[in-house]
Amino acid sequence: NAGVTQTPKFQVLKTGQSMTLQCAQDMNHNSMYWYRQDPGMGLRLIYYSASEGTTDKGEVPNGYNVSRLNKREFSLRLESAAPSQTSVYFCASSFYWSGGAKEQFFGPGTRLTVL
Amino acid sequence: SQELEQSPQSLIVQEGKNLTINCTSSKTLYGLYWYKQKYGEGLIFLMMLQKGGEEKSHEKITAKLDEKKQQSSLHITASQPSHAGIYLCGAEMAGSYQLTFGKGTKLSVIP
Repeated sequence: NAGVTQTPKFQVLKTGQSMTLQCAQDMNHNSMYWYRQDPGMGLRLIYYSASEGTTDKGEVPNGYNVSRLNKREFSLRLESAAPSQTSVYFCASSFYWSGGAKEQFFGPGTRLTVL
Repeated sequence: SQELEQSPQSLIVQEGKNLTINCTSSKTLYGLYWYKQKYGEGLIFLMMLQKGGEEKSHEKITAKLDEKKQQSSLHITASQPSHAGIYLCGAEMAGSYQLTFGKGTKLSVIP
């Protein structure tokens, strides 16, 4: 099993360009998440999808959109990249049930630089 | 203020020494997760604690959950260079099913 995979691993954009970060998991998890990690700020939740067909905003959703394509795939789109979106982006997945979320498994990350 | 505080922010220890990292919540904890991250890599799940007083160990790493104090500690015995990295705690807190993460503790182990 590959676990959680992310593409690309590295990306450099110019201000105003758009791009989509791809994430896929093969653990049959129902919930998926997108985080960004910045120095001194820790991990912050951008968007999450509790189950296929649903998406919700996290702590820092502005400037991003997401699509839960199917149970396996959850993509993050930057429509018009800004330097403030320079960060490391992590995708994660977990099995979510009514009693609460369980441990999340993380992908290797995408390092994005916006010039 | 930060809902989940980790201390210390960074730690440098000599190989073979013991160390403790703390994670304190401002809200009631329903679950506490410890992760380790090496530079440039993703987060690796270490342990999950869900009950007050629960203690789990994996190799030389032990984690405890003190429900009354709303705090968890991660203890490493006889540290090794392979223990170096960033340790993050994530918590399920009252009012949310999503995990909130601390800012991390950077651990360096000097041979």
